[in-house]
Amino acid sequence: QITLKESGPTLVKPTQTLTLTCTFSGFSLSTSAEGVGWIRQPPGKALEWLALIYWDDDKRYSPSLKSRLTITKDTSKNQVVLTVTNMDPVDTATYFCTHIGFSAFDIWGQGTLVTVSS
Amino acid sequence: QSALTQPASVSGSPGQSITISCTGTSSDVGSYSLVSWYQQHPDKAPKIMIYEVTKRPSGVSDRFSGSKSGNTASLTISGLQAEDEADYYCCSYAGSSGWVFGGGTKLTVL
Repeated sequence: QITLKESGPTLVKPTQTLTLTCTFSGFSLSTSAEGVGWIRQPPGKALEWLALIYWDDDKRYSPSLKSRLTITKDTSKNQVVLTVTNMDPVDTATYFCTHIGFSAFDIWGQGTLVTVSS
Repeated sequence: QSALTQPASVSGSPGQSITISCTGTSSDVGSYSLVSWYQQHPDKAPKIMIYEVTKRPSGVSDRFSGSKSGNTASLTISGLQAEDEADYYCCSYAGSSGWVFGGGTKLTVL
């Protein structure tokens, strides 16, 4: 059974860097074809894909946010970390990590709400 | 990379069928058979309902079906039930641009 859980700060100040950790179980990111992605959802708004990382360290980023995002993995800890630089109030959202399966986001974490405010 | 276009809302009575459209471009929906659909109830994480345009994950009711024609994908829900009331999002692979979601559709079961 695959599970994922996001962790990180619930409140960050404008201009700060956000670091979120996704801790997962039920699969290994050292196994071929496995991947983990990050998706966010501002309150009352739509889902937005941010980034993903595959077992072979292939990384993909949203073109509109690429300059501010970094995704990394720690295979030994079963964790994926997303950093977002220069946070702004418009980045206030619930951030989800997901497993990539069936060429889609098949298993989701519960999400973590991050508020950007001074 | 623009969001896929979905109707803001659709509604139907119990037992009826509804279809939600998802319009993209030749760079995403039109080029790849990698369209997926997600159901999201209030304050819950999204749940995958359809992947690779037409396939249902194990455990998803066969009342949910997907299709695609050109740059537009569709999700059809037959035999509407009260529990189907939720927000629905489409998503497509977009090549070098990664993945793109639709704006979401609120389904109301009357």
